[in-house]
Amino acid sequence: AQSVTQLDSHVSVSEGTPVLLRCNYSSSYSPSLFWYVQHPNKGLQLLLKYTSAATLVKGINGFEAEFKKSETSFHLTKPSAHMSDAAEYFCVVSPPDNLFFGTGTRLTVIP
Amino acid sequence: NAGVMQNPRHLVRRRGQEARLRCSPMKGHSHVYWYRQLPEEGLKFMVYLQKENIIDESGMPKERFSAEFPKEGPSILRIQQVVRGDSAAYFCASSPKGDTEAFFGQGTRLTVV
Repeated sequence: AQSVTQLDSHVSVSEGTPVLLRCNYSSSYSPSLFWYVQHPNKGLQLLLKYTSAATLVKGINGFEAEFKKSETSFHLTKPSAHMSDAAEYFCVVSPPDNLFFGTGTRLTVIP
Repeated sequence: NAGVMQNPRHLVRRRGQEARLRCSPMKGHSHVYWYRQLPEEGLKFMVYLQKENIIDESGMPKERFSAEFPKEGPSILRIQQVVRGDSAAYFCASSPKGDTEAFFGQGTRLTVV
C-alpha cells in the first residue's frame, strides 16, 4: 500500500531563515517522489522529483530534498525563505501508475 | 507545446444541475488523472484513465460521478445532480507514462449554489 504523510499542516518562518517541510511515505514499490507547489488560486507546479538517481535532489527556486530510504522520508528544504515562497506544498509518492498526495503543508513567510 | 488545458476555469451550477469539466492533456500524453481539492483539505485522487480505459477509479464517489477519456478529444469529468458538497477545485494532470511526473492544469473551480 502507498501513503504519504506530511507532518505539519502549517509552517511559519521569517524571511531569510531556513525552510523545512517534512514528508514521510510508505510504498510497496521503489517509488518516485515529488514535491509540488500551489500558489493561491493557481495550479500545481513541480518543484522537484526523485527517481532513484541521486538521493539529494535540487529543484527550482532554491529548493532541495533528500531521499532517505532508512527513514522513509523526503523532506523539502531551502536555506533562506523568500516572501514569494508562501504557498501550499504537496509531497507526492508515485508507485507505477498513480500519484498519491499528502494533505499539504501551508508555508507562511513573515517579513 | 501547450500545457494541460482545463476548461472552464470557473463553473457555477445550481443544485441538481450537471457539471462537465474538460481536460486536454499535453501532446503525446496518454495518461490522465483527476483530483479534487476541497476547501482546507489536500488533493484527493479521484480517477486515473488511459485512452478509452479507466485504470483506477477508487477515489470516485460511486454515484453521480463519471469520467471518460475517449480516443479523440479531451477527458471529461461529469458530475450529475450536483450538491453543495461538490463545490471544490478539480485538477487534471497528464503524463506520458504511469510512473513519470505529471503536469497539471490550472484547475476548474466548481461552485454549487
